[in-house]
Amino acid sequence: EVQLVESGGGLVQPGGSLRLSCAASGLSFSSNWMSWVRQAPGKGLEWVANIKQDGSEKYYVDSVKGRFSISRDNVKNSLFLQMNSLRAEDTAMYYCVRGAWGAFHYWGQGTLVTVSS
Amino acid sequence: QSVLTQPPSASGTPGQRVTISCSGGSSNIGKNTGNWYQQVPGTAPKLLIYSTNQRPSGVPDRFSGSKSGTSASLAISGLQSEDEADYYCAAWDDSLNGVVFGGGTKLTVL
Repeated sequence: EVQLVESGGGLVQPGGSLRLSCAASGLSFSSNWMSWVRQAPGKGLEWVANIKQDGSEKYYVDSVKGRFSISRDNVKNSLFLQMNSLRAEDTAMYYCVRGAWGAFHYWGQGTLVTVSS
Repeated sequence: QSVLTQPPSASGTPGQRVTISCSGGSSNIGKNTGNWYQQVPGTAPKLLIYSTNQRPSGVPDRFSGSKSGTSASLAISGLQSEDEADYYCAAWDDSLNGVVFGGGTKLTVL
């Protein structure tokens, strides 16, 4: 059974930083593109970033470019999202997902990030 | 405002067939395949349709997808009460170099 378990969310002040983690099991992690997708409270889904199997290619939504960084550790089957210069509009549930081009077959349960003073 | 346009709401009665549209452009649905997600409030989204019309294992064949030009559609036949949820379309956008989602459609089973 595929499991994606996110952690690292919480309350942070505007301008602060957080590092999200996703522990993957039940899949060949190193063979898959991986992504982060977020959902603000009461709003729709927004893709945030994706990363190629070996980490050599990364793509980001414009609103997070220069502030967020996606990375992975294929030895530890883990995906990360380093979030800096956080803004109120980054408040959302962040989901770790398997896939890259819009077909996200597996989703974690999400970790909530709240940016507020 | 979302790159992909969906109607905010749709409804139907049990047993009925409902269709949800997703209008895009030449850089996303026009060139790439569409995907559909179902989200019951309070839970993570679930992939319903990928590559325009493929169903993941476990998704009933009541759900089907299609594409015409720059628009994609999700059809649900034999509507059931448990189909009441939010539905989102998604596709890769070659111009934005990213995945774009529709704004979502809230389906109500009357």
